[in-house]
Amino acid sequence: AQKVTQAQTEISVVEKEDVTLDCVYETRDTTYYLFWYKQPPSGELVFLIRRNSFDEQNEISGRYSWNFQKSTSSFNFTITASQVVDSAVYFCALSEPPLRGNTGKLIFGQGTTLQVKP
Amino acid sequence: KAGVTQTPRYLIKTRGQQVTLSCSPISGHRSVSWYQQTPGQGLQFLFEYFSETQRNKGNFPGRFSGRQFSNSRSEMNVSTLELGDSALYLCASSEGAGFYNEQFFGPGTRLTVL
Repeated sequence: AQKVTQAQTEISVVEKEDVTLDCVYETRDTTYYLFWYKQPPSGELVFLIRRNSFDEQNEISGRYSWNFQKSTSSFNFTITASQVVDSAVYFCALSEPPLRGNTGKLIFGQGTTLQVKP
Repeated sequence: KAGVTQTPRYLIKTRGQQVTLSCSPISGHRSVSWYQQTPGQGLQFLFEYFSETQRNKGNFPGRFSGRQFSNSRSEMNVSTLELGDSALYLCASSEGAGFYNEQFFGPGTRLTVL
């Protein structure tokens, strides 16, 4: 069954430390998409990145980087030189093809709460 | 472009009442999905609408329903509210109908059932 696991419930770091948020997924499909979202205290989920199952290239965007490893079904997210503004809940999500009427549905992990202390 | 808007932002109801939440997607977006977020269950998919048709529904009782209008705006309704319905309800819109489209979320409606 499709599932996304974020084993780290809470992480606390001091500003400027690097931090990696883990995401492991399960799916029967060979074609799928993975996403990361950030949820600040305001509540709105902010889209960070999308990655398809055929693209295993790592991606870097400023202080953010993502490591996708199909062999281990993982899509980890690293923040380099963390800042207080990075404090939020981060969600990893899986989207599968609509082969079984499964449209418009993101399967989310439980989220990792990141606290960056000054 | 304006983002996804949801109204109201906060709502307090009592058990047994019904409630209607509204979502206006980003202009040009035709797909709207709804999610319920609670501390215990996390983010759970409620349903998805595209071109006024419900294409997918999550594992929620029939008390949860929704619809989409011709301008892509969507509403969800919860009848006979229960305490367990207290949650943050998030609406998301996407440009296309594909599973590859990123979904853009609104700020949510926080529903409290007393």
